[in-house]
Amino acid sequence: AQSVTQLGSHVSVSEGALVLLRCNYSSSVPPYLFWYVQYPNQGLQLLLKYTTGATLVKGINGFEAEFKKSETSFHLTKPSAHMSDAAEYFCAVRGEGRRALTFGSGTRLQVQP
Amino acid sequence: NAGVTQTPKFQVLKTGQSMTLQCAQDMNHEYMSWYRQDPGMGLRLIHYSVGAGITDQGEVPNGYNVSRSTTEDFPLRLLSAAPSQTSVYFCASSYRAAIDTGELFFGEGSRLTVL
Repeated sequence: AQSVTQLGSHVSVSEGALVLLRCNYSSSVPPYLFWYVQYPNQGLQLLLKYTTGATLVKGINGFEAEFKKSETSFHLTKPSAHMSDAAEYFCAVRGEGRRALTFGSGTRLQVQP
Repeated sequence: NAGVTQTPKFQVLKTGQSMTLQCAQDMNHEYMSWYRQDPGMGLRLIHYSVGAGITDQGEVPNGYNVSRSTTEDFPLRLLSAAPSQTSVYFCASSYRAAIDTGELFFGEGSRLTVL
């Protein structure tokens, strides 16, 4: 079965600082990996995805993530945090043979002025 | 273009009451699903559907029923509400092929409290 572990339920950074949100996955088949973002009182929206090909993927709002098979990781980064990045971020993996996603428990990002 | 619309946004129930959470999408998506979101547990799949007349169970289906009579609508029914079903519920949809690439479109959620 597939699973996702997000390290750190809360992360706080200063505006302009590097953002690093960690995600490790488990999958018995080549994974499709995703990051979703949830702003307060809203639904989730896709930030970026890895399916095949280039292991460094770029998403919206300056975020990017790198698929590292040897480390079973898919960490999300952004060079310089902005106040508008404050949100909850979810890592997800596509289920094996199932038409569904398995989500991690989420990481709430706070950005301090 | 409304996207995915969920109603109601907020609901308070008493234990044992029944209710239906509505989900409608206007994007002609074949795939629709229901997740519940609980603190520290992320989103867990309740039920999903790959087309009208076809539904399947997810990770946490107990206590919930679904049906899919049209492409547009995918209601979630709680037959006898329990406090453990207090949660935020999200409906999500995608084109059938898009679920393979994880591009789900989410509604804004329905917050349910069971007393």
